[in-house]
Amino acid sequence: GENVEQHPSTLSVQEGDSAVIKCTYSDSASNYFPWYKQELGKRPQLIIDIRSNVGEKKDQRIAVTLNKTAKHFSLHITETQPEDSAVYFCAASNSGFQKLVFGTGTRLLVSP
Amino acid sequence: EAGVAQSPRYKIIEKRQSVAFWCNPISGHATLYWYQQILGQGPKLLIQFQNNGVVDDSQLPKDRFSAERLKGVDSTLKIQPAKLEDSAVYLCASSAQGETQYFGPGTRLLVL
Repeated sequence: GENVEQHPSTLSVQEGDSAVIKCTYSDSASNYFPWYKQELGKRPQLIIDIRSNVGEKKDQRIAVTLNKTAKHFSLHITETQPEDSAVYFCAASNSGFQKLVFGTGTRLLVSP
Repeated sequence: EAGVAQSPRYKIIEKRQSVAFWCNPISGHATLYWYQQILGQGPKLLIQFQNNGVVDDSQLPKDRFSAERLKGVDSTLKIQPAKLEDSAVYLCASSAQGETQYFGPGTRLLVL
């Protein structure tokens, strides 16, 4: 089955810096890759997603890139703000089954 | 639109007791998921329903966990008997066509 690895497990940056979180997946049939943000005690919330027919997607300060050949995808956050502090999860799925397999999470801390 | 609703939000039980969680998905969402999120880990899919049929329950510990979605809307997840290692947040999610899953607030279970 699918296995998703996520790095780093923790990431500390200064406000205004960029942050990059990387994930690799094992199943070449996976074609949908969402990123979720989870604040302490809250539900995971979708922040951006990408499908395998696209190499990059941007939404304001957030971007995701996908390298299908290498089977890895990354989340990029520019001009980080303290409110970006949270745990970020990547996930992968084969859309035929819609089963999401999550990474282990990255705790991002943005210091003022 | 209203989000995914779950209850109770918190539950404390002793080992070997039983417990049930309830989920009401977003109106019109045919697919419903139950995830287990152990502290410090990403959500792990327990069971996926498409309307009232089970699509995937490969990671559901069937000797103690059961779930149903009798009318294709609300769902309940039951644990009987509970073990210490069942302490986790149980997240319900739903989706319509496509892969975007929306999560509920979760039920935090503590087994003593």
